[in-house]
Amino acid sequence: EVHLLESGGRLVQPGGSLRLSCAASGFTFSNCAMNWVRQAPGKGLEWVSSITAGGGRTYHADSVRGRFTISRDNSRNTLYLQMDSLRAEDTAVYYCAKEAYLGSGFFDSWGQGTLVTVSS
Amino acid sequence: EIVLTQSPDFQSVTPKEKVTITCRASQSIGSSLHWYQQKPDQSPKLLMKYASQSFSGVPSRFNGSGSGTDFTLTINSLEAEDAATYYCHQSNSLPYTFGQGTKLEIK
Repeated sequence: EVHLLESGGRLVQPGGSLRLSCAASGFTFSNCAMNWVRQAPGKGLEWVSSITAGGGRTYHADSVRGRFTISRDNSRNTLYLQMDSLRAEDTAVYYCAKEAYLGSGFFDSWGQGTLVTVSS
Repeated sequence: EIVLTQSPDFQSVTPKEKVTITCRASQSIGSSLHWYQQKPDQSPKLLMKYASQSFSGVPSRFNGSGSGTDFTLTINSLEAEDAATYYCHQSNSLPYTFGQGTKLEIK
């Protein structure tokens, strides 16, 4: 059974940094592209970042480009999101999501999410 | 960026009723349109991939259709457990985008 477990979310001041992690199990992590999707309180879903299976290519939404960096460690089956220069509008639950298969672009498994709150 | 617009934003429905949710894309996306269900305080779950292909384990009362710019998610004979927010999502091009969501309330 696929299992994705996010961690690292907490209260942080504007301008601060945070690193989220997503521990994966139940599938061959190194074969799958991975994503971060966020959801602000009471709002809809927003795609944040994607990374290819080998980690060689990354993509970010305009709203986070230059501030957030997605990465992965396939030896540890773990996905990361380094978040710098955080803003109040980054407050959200952050989900890691597994892409179903190469090039599919849709997400067949999601973690339970981790809450990031940016506030002074 | 491809904008997805769902309608309605909210619908209050009775059990056994048929529900139709639409998703319109700002440009053609072929069949690269997927649907998710999110229940309160839960993470989203994949319902439908590529517009009309049900994901594993999804009840047969859920059906999807459409291509190009207009898509539909239909729930036949609604059940109480279907109370949730439904999102469409396009994977035709980056940035991936989602519709704003349709919240279904069961009367």
